[in-house]
Amino acid sequence: LAKTTQPPSMEAYEGQEVNVSCSHTNIATSEYIYWYRQVPHQGPQFIIQGYKDYVVNEVASLFISADRKLSTLSLPWVSLRDAAVYYCIVTDLYYAQGLTFGLGTRVSVFP
Amino acid sequence: ETAVFQTPNYHVTQVGNEVSFNCKQTLGHDTMYWYKQDSKKLLKIMFSYNNKQLIVNETVPRRFSPQSSDKAHLNLRIKSVEPEDSAVYLCASSPWGFNQDTQYFGPGTRLLVL
Repeated sequence: LAKTTQPPSMEAYEGQEVNVSCSHTNIATSEYIYWYRQVPHQGPQFIIQGYKDYVVNEVASLFISADRKLSTLSLPWVSLRDAAVYYCIVTDLYYAQGLTFGLGTRVSVFP
Repeated sequence: ETAVFQTPNYHVTQVGNEVSFNCKQTLGHDTMYWYKQDSKKLLKIMFSYNNKQLIVNETVPRRFSPQSSDKAHLNLRIKSVEPEDSAVYLCASSPWGFNQDTQYFGPGTRLLVL
């Protein structure tokens, strides 16, 4: 399984766009990129997944570099509710052995 | 909207006791998981269950055992708790096959071993 590297923390003000980067230099061709987030006293919540190029949903967008070694999660117009730990996970879609979480990126949002 | 339910929310016990945590999902998923989140907030997979069959056991101590009555329920039993078992235990579920890594988590059960 590929290892991921994320910045330990980021800060933003409400209304700003936050971009969280994730490096996965050893990603395999069979692996996809997932992003989850966890707020205090709750379990992780799925945000978005992608394989290449650009993916967008109602919550966030995900940009994946052409060589797939870097991805960036973009959160537009963050609010206080977006303060959480964001996890980037690289995993084989059919590798049903659970997810390997790293330490993630703690995003703090200020009013 | 909660679709993975865990009980209890919080449990305090003493070393050597047996504890059991419950998990139920209403999503119709085929696979369920137990994760442990330690004091450093590291999340680690413990077990995954598919159609009542254990498909992963991440070398957790033998005092831990998953128990399933049907695909909607996966309980976790700890036979004789140790101080290092103090953690948050998170249950999750996912569909089988494509998209199985899109997992839905419960709120967790916090265990404190005195």
